[in-house]
Amino acid sequence: QKEVEQNSGPLSVPEGAIASLNCTYSDRGSQSFFWYRQYSGKSPELIMFIYSNGDKEDGRFTAQLNKASQYVSLLIRDSQPSDSATYLCAAGGGGGADGLTFGKGTHLIIQP
Amino acid sequence: DVKVTQSSRYLVKRTGEKVFLECVQDMDHENMFWYRQDPGLGLRLIYFSYDVKMKEKGDIPEGYSVSREKKERFSLILESASTNQTSMYLCASSTGYGYTFGSGTRLTVV
Repeated sequence: QKEVEQNSGPLSVPEGAIASLNCTYSDRGSQSFFWYRQYSGKSPELIMFIYSNGDKEDGRFTAQLNKASQYVSLLIRDSQPSDSATYLCAAGGGGGADGLTFGKGTHLIIQP
Repeated sequence: DVKVTQSSRYLVKRTGEKVFLECVQDMDHENMFWYRQDPGLGLRLIYFSYDVKMKEKGDIPEGYSVSREKKERFSLILESASTNQTSMYLCASSTGYGYTFGSGTRLTVV
């Protein structure tokens, strides 16, 4: 059974600080990793994907992957109240064409 | 931007009814997926398809079937709706670099 584990939170971070979200995955064959943001009552939207070990940056977001530790993280710099949402980590095979396994999500609250 | 359209935002159906949830994408994606999302359980994969007339079971296919007669359309069918199928249903399509989700259908079975 493939699993993706996340701390459900809530994770409370002051505005302007760095929010750090983490997940671990069980399937060593996973090759692609994704972070989605989901606002209450809305569908998930893709923030970033990462395939290779190391860091990948996109604006205020940095995804980090460590395949040896089976660990994925998302850093959000200069956190804004609009970043308050549930963040879903997902893992899959090559490109996720055979379906992604999602974590249950971390609820992030940015305090003004 | 890719658009994934789910035909209904809210549905209320009776136990035993046959229910069709429709999903259409406009970007010629090969891969399409159906998930359900429940509090405390997260997103769980029901079925997916990587080509017309092709389908693969996901993690929780029991009580569901799917149809993909055209590339852009992927339908989820509840053969005989039950109360434990009350959930948010999310359709997604993909080229392989992450999914684009539809807005979801909140189904209530009474």
